[in-house]
Amino acid sequence: AQTVTQSQPEMSVQEAETVTLSCTYDTSESDYYLFWYKQPPSRQMILVIRQEAYKQQNATENRFSVNFQKAAKSFSLKISDSQLGDAAMYFCAYRSADSYGGATNKLIFGTGTLLAVQP
Amino acid sequence: NAGVTQTPKFQVLKTGQSMTLQCAQDMNHEYMSWYRQDPGMGLRLIHYSVGAGITDQGEVPNGYNVSRSTTEDFPLRLLSAAPSQTSVYFCASRPLWGDRGRAEQFFGPGTRLTVL
Repeated sequence: AQTVTQSQPEMSVQEAETVTLSCTYDTSESDYYLFWYKQPPSRQMILVIRQEAYKQQNATENRFSVNFQKAAKSFSLKISDSQLGDAAMYFCAYRSADSYGGATNKLIFGTGTLLAVQP
Repeated sequence: NAGVTQTPKFQVLKTGQSMTLQCAQDMNHEYMSWYRQDPGMGLRLIHYSVGAGITDQGEVPNGYNVSRSTTEDFPLRLLSAAPSQTSVYFCASRPLWGDRGRAEQFFGPGTRLTVL
């Protein structure tokens, strides 16, 4: 079974600085998707960024980028120019790819990293 | 589009009581699922459905029932509430066919449930 590990329960960053959140995963599959979700105090789950395993290029979304190391099974999230609104719980998640449409490819979450942004 | 809606937002139950958490989506998504979120444990899958009339168990199904009579609705039933079911519950949906797992999963706002 696939597992996702986030080894940093809490992180802190100064406003305008850069922070990297770590995520590792375990799988025997070669084709899958990885996601970072943000959960602010409102509790709403918000998709931050997505990476397809068959793509070598790291995904980027504005100030958010990932460092995807497939061989090492590592998927870290870098937040540049941190803002107060980035303070939230961040979850790394894994989903298998399924050529038949994904009838049972579930989203598997890590335990989360709580990010504080200091003014 | 309202997206994924959940009711109620908060609920307090006594041990042994039953209740249903409601979930609805208006995006015509085939796949719907229920998660519970507990401190230090992330989100864990309770049950999921790939279409009307089709449901299956996730990682932590004990004490919960689901049914899917329509594409839009996916209620979660607590049969006899226990303090161990105190948690935040999220419903989520996404399209199923053709995306090979790439599609974004949309989450509801969550229900905070306390069982005394």
